[in-house]
Amino acid sequence: AQSVSQHNHHVILSEAASLELGCNYSYGGTVNLFWYVQYPGQHLQLLLKYFSGDPLVKGIKGFEAEFIKSKFSFNLRKPSVQWSDTAEYFCAVKTNNAGNMLTFGGGTRLMVKP
Amino acid sequence: GAGVSQTPSNKVTEKGKYVELRCDPISGHTALYWYRQSLGQGPEFLIYFQGTGAADDSGLPNDRFFAVRPEGSVSTLKIQRTERGDSAVYLCASSQSGTSGGVGEQFFGPGTRLTVL
Repeated sequence: AQSVSQHNHHVILSEAASLELGCNYSYGGTVNLFWYVQYPGQHLQLLLKYFSGDPLVKGIKGFEAEFIKSKFSFNLRKPSVQWSDTAEYFCAVKTNNAGNMLTFGGGTRLMVKP
Repeated sequence: GAGVSQTPSNKVTEKGKYVELRCDPISGHTALYWYRQSLGQGPEFLIYFQGTGAADDSGLPNDRFFAVRPEGSVSTLKIQRTERGDSAVYLCASSQSGTSGGVGEQFFGPGTRLTVL
């Protein structure tokens, strides 16, 4: 079965610092990849998604992610974080052998200090 | 428009009791998903409906868990003989397309926090 790993469980940054959150998955076939964000007290919402084409995907709020197939990775980046980016971030994968279920990583809790 | 809604937002029950959790998807979304999120973990898939039928129930942990979607809209997740280990946030999501290979984004509800004492 496929799995998703997010190696950074907690990240603390100061405002204006650059962000990169790691995501690796274990599946050799076709994948769709997602980053979801959960702000404090709110529900999960989609940041960005990759289905095909350009492996560099741009999402909302200045976030982007790069799909590197050879590394089975889909890392999330933002050049300059803001205090309002404090949230929990989840990477998820949908594979072509598992229907429409999403497999999520364990999440990364980001705290941005003002 | 309205998003995915879930009721109740919180449910506290005693071990051994029966509970029902409700999900109201976005209008027109044919696919509906249930996930469970335990503390400190990412959501885990439970079951997926395409219309009225359960297209994939491989994530249900055991036969105490059951879900229905009789009219292809609202869904109810039912848990019999609850155990303390069932305590978690139960998330519902819906999407426009659930067909294999479809690219419908899953929209999540706020979840129901279930606590089994």
